[in-house]
Amino acid sequence: GQQLNQSPQSMFIQEGEDVSMNCTSSSIFNTWLWYKQDPGEGPVLLIALYKAGELTSNGRLTAQFGITRKDSFLNISASIPSDVGIYFCAGQLIGYKLSFGAGTTVTVRA
Amino acid sequence: EPEVTQTPSHQVTQMGQEVILRCVPISNHLYFYWYRQILGQKVEFLVSFYNNEISEKSEIFDDQFSVERPDGSNFTLKIRSTKLEDSAMYFCASSAGRGRYEQYFGPGTRLTVT
Repeated sequence: GQQLNQSPQSMFIQEGEDVSMNCTSSSIFNTWLWYKQDPGEGPVLLIALYKAGELTSNGRLTAQFGITRKDSFLNISASIPSDVGIYFCAGQLIGYKLSFGAGTTVTVRA
Repeated sequence: EPEVTQTPSHQVTQMGQEVILRCVPISNHLYFYWYRQILGQKVEFLVSFYNNEISEKSEIFDDQFSVERPDGSNFTLKIRSTKLEDSAMYFCASSAGRGRYEQYFGPGTRLTVT
């Protein structure tokens, strides 16, 4: 199956900072999705990307579908405490299954 | 806002027992899925279901697993004879289809096999 590499594995944020994370794949995808998961809960969809090169925003979140269709990034601007959690990228080729990355854990820097 | 719901939130069972996890997908969605997440790991695809049949399944989804849409609203995952390694969070998801394939996840069922 498709292998997704998500980086960084973890990051510490200070309120007000911009943060960035990305996902790369060994093969192409037709759709990239970004989810956020809080402890003990299900993944919540943040952004869906359908076209190579597409740049989409959702509030303080911006994500891009890479031109090669093998990568995507997510930016969070002006981070706030409730941004902590685990962020997952997921790719979809044909058919319907999602292949997930291992996640980026975002924690507030003390 | 419509959402996927799942019951129970937590299920404890003994090894070898059968369990049924239940989901109510978003109304009017056509595609349904089950995923699992072992503690601390990534989310893994189990099975997708469309038009009353399995459209895709993973290697994890062996003969011990089955899915069913018994009526117009519920979608179930059955594990026939649970093993210790089946302990995980199980998530149901649904998507609308018709060109919209983003998947919306439920809150999950934590399955603990003892």
